[in-house]
Amino acid sequence: RKEVEQDPGPFNVPEGATVAFNCTYSNSASQSFFWYRQDCRKEPKLLMSVYSSGNEDGRFTAQLNRASQYISLLIRDSKLSDSATYLCVVGRWGANNLFFGTGTRLTVIP
Amino acid sequence: ETGVTQTPRHLVMGMTNKKSLKCEQHLGHNAMYWYKQSAKKPLELMFVYSLEERVENNSVPSRFSPECPNSSHLFLHLHTLQPEDSALYLCASSQEPPLNNEQFFGPGTRLTVL
Repeated sequence: RKEVEQDPGPFNVPEGATVAFNCTYSNSASQSFFWYRQDCRKEPKLLMSVYSSGNEDGRFTAQLNRASQYISLLIRDSKLSDSATYLCVVGRWGANNLFFGTGTRLTVIP
Repeated sequence: ETGVTQTPRHLVMGMTNKKSLKCEQHLGHNAMYWYKQSAKKPLELMFVYSLEERVENNSVPSRFSPECPNSSHLFLHLHTLQPEDSALYLCASSQEPPLNNEQFFGPGTRLTVL
């Protein structure tokens, strides 16, 4: 079973829409959680960390459900510039690296 | 310079060539990583160095040889590659502990093997 699973999409949404991405992780010992953003032909960049209490950064809200081993990212009022691939990333104690999902591709349409 | 830099940005090589990819981080981090990203595939971890010691070698073929001379520099030496090795090679760094902290990526080297 994969460490991190995401719906690859693509998600095509109109400007101004609200879109949600989901991600599940397989190892209950996971302890750090992130959403990264990767633009076409560019490197991944940290979008936000995900905390147990949930956190918000402007139009972006991340939630973590440890019981269900589930992470979500909500984007409100989508902008054209939000078009990218969103990577769910998980780290766990004792592992020497982070585990990356395959990414969910989002295209925001004018 | 700031962040993580990689050179060259693009590389085309034949199967018999030897080349090296270079990564430098200016963030004061003590862990560095090599990843491979092929089209429509997730990031594949290749190597991890923590405090200049290799702590992970993710079943990578011996035609890829990493080198970490100090905590700021990481190399990936390439020889007798195959066309299927064509991909984007990304370097990343992080501050440990813990070994699951956020990572900062370089822009990558886009490698084409003919």
